[in-house]
Amino acid sequence: AQSVTQLDSQVPVFEEAPVELRCNYSSSVSVYLFWYVQYPNQGLQLLLKYLSGSTLVKGINGFEAEFNKSQTSFHLRKPSVHISDTAEYFCAVSGQGFQKLVFGTGTRLLVSP
Amino acid sequence: EAGVAQSPRYKIIEKRQSVAFWCNPISGHATLYWYQQILGQGPKLLIQFQNNGVVDDSQLPKDRFSAERLKGVDSTLKIQPAKLEDSAVYLCASSLGGQGPDEQYFGPGTRLTVT
Repeated sequence: AQSVTQLDSQVPVFEEAPVELRCNYSSSVSVYLFWYVQYPNQGLQLLLKYLSGSTLVKGINGFEAEFNKSQTSFHLRKPSVHISDTAEYFCAVSGQGFQKLVFGTGTRLLVSP
Repeated sequence: EAGVAQSPRYKIIEKRQSVAFWCNPISGHATLYWYQQILGQGPKLLIQFQNNGVVDDSQLPKDRFSAERLKGVDSTLKIQPAKLEDSAVYLCASSLGGQGPDEQYFGPGTRLTVT
């Protein structure tokens, strides 16, 4: 079975500063990894995904993530955040097969001016 | 392209009452998912349909929760009777389906409060 750990429940950062949201996973098989964003009172939107190939994945809104198999991590980064990036971010893992997603507990990114 | 539709957006009920949520997936999507998202937690899969068949319902509390997707299109999730701990956002998602890692598209969710 897969599991995901997001150690930071909340990350405060100033506008235009860089940010990293941490995600670690555990799985005994090959996995697919995802980052989703959830704005208040909205559903989840896919930011990026790692399926195979290059370990550096670029997503929407300037976000990127790096898959590190030896450290079982998939940290999300953005070099310069905006106020509009304030939201909840969820890391998720899926094994191959019928697409069941297992989510972490989420990290709330708070961007202040 | 229309997204995943859910209704109602909000519902308040008393414990022991029943409630139903409706989801209409993106046209042509074979796979439909219901997730429960309790405040402060990530979404948890309740049930997954492939067309009108159940693929995974291992985390569905079957003594009180039921779901159906009779014609392989829209779906209904029911809770009867509700408990206080059922207060959560219920998210519906859909995907094209198949063995590949296709993207899940989420609806806005239904926020349920049980008093």
